[in-house]
Order: sequence, then C-alpha cells, then structure tokens
Amino acid sequence: RKEVEQDPGPFNVPEGATVAFNCTYSNSASQSFLWYRQDCRKEPKLLMSVYSSGNEDGRFTAQLNRASQYISLLIRDSKLSDSATYLCVVNGNGNKLVFGAGTILRVKS
Amino acid sequence: ETGVTQSPTHLIKTRGQQVTLRCSSQSGHNTVSWYQQALGQGPQFIFQYYREEENGRGNFPPRFSGLQFPNYSSELNVNALELDDSALYLCASSLSGRAGTDTQYFGPGTRLTVL
Repeated sequence: RKEVEQDPGPFNVPEGATVAFNCTYSNSASQSFLWYRQDCRKEPKLLMSVYSSGNEDGRFTAQLNRASQYISLLIRDSKLSDSATYLCVVNGNGNKLVFGAGTILRVKS
Repeated sequence: ETGVTQSPTHLIKTRGQQVTLRCSSQSGHNTVSWYQQALGQGPQFIFQYYREEENGRGNFPPRFSGLQFPNYSSELNVNALELDDSALYLCASSLSGRAGTDTQYFGPGTRLTVL
C-alpha cells in the first residue's frame, strides 16, 4: 500500500465549477499535511498547509480528518489557471515529504 | 521565484555513466532535500542534508550520493546510471531540518534522460 494515495483523475470541469480532491495516508504518526500544485514540466509549489480545524485561502479550502487519515482540497469557482496537478503531501519520519502521485485538474471554458 | 536554482536544466546520459546534478539553495537555508520524480508520479525523497551532514535517506541505493557545501550549494551524484533513473530531479531548500514545520522551496529541476 502506498503511503499517500490520491485519485489520479483527470478531473475535467467547466469554469466556475466546484471540485474536490481526496487523499488518504497510511502513517498515523504523520504530523504535517500539505497540498502542493505542480504545473506541467515545472516544480511543485506549496498551495497550502492542512490543519485539523480546516483552513481556507480564498477559493481553496483544505480539511484534515485524522481519525480516517483523510485529507481533502476543495476548489470553488474554478478558473482556467487552476489547471494543474495537485499533490497531496504528508511529512514522514520527521524530515522527508511523502508525496501522492497527484490528481490532474483540467478546467475548460 | 523561489531563489533555488538547479543546473543543468536537461541532461542526456547513457547507461553505466555517472552524473552530477547541482543545486543552489536560498541564502540562509541550512537544509537541502533531493527528490526524484518519474513521469506520472509524485516526487520521491532521495535524501536530505543539514549543515553538510546527511540527515535522512529514502529507499534509494548507495549509487545515489550527495554533498552539501557551506555556500548553500549541493550536489546529487548518481553512479552506474540505469534506464529507470530517467526522471526529473528536484532539490528543495528549507531553513532547518524539520520538514514538518519549515516550507520546502523547490528548484526548477533537472530532467535526466538515460539512454
């Protein structure tokens, strides 16, 4: 079983749609959770951290459910510029980031 | 944008050769991590260096080795290249060795092709 699992997609949505990505992780001792965004042939960039209380940054909302070892990312009012791969990331063994394989989002006009 | 640079951008090697990839971290960042990203996969942790000492290693064979220098630069060396080593190699710098609390800033990567 992979340490971090994501639905690879692709998710094809129209502009203005709301889309949600889910991610599960296997290491119950994990302490930090992140979403990174990666554009085609570019480096990953931090989108937001994920907290148990949930957090929101504009159109983006992230949630963490420790009991179910489940992380989510919600994007409201999708823009063409949101098209990218979204990587679910968990810190592992204190000093490394463990990435999921990524979920591809394509927003179409 | 992130202040992390990598060289070269692209590289083509043949099986059995050796390669050195370079990274320049943000000034003041004492930690550098290296990741391998195969096509269609997420980045996989290779190892991390903190103040010039190895500070953790992923599931990669010993032919993957690294160095970190006092001037915030670092190297990833891969010996005896195999076809499966073809990937995007990313370095990421952060302030300290605590990945859980410090943001890791990624460089643009080096795309290695092994023929």
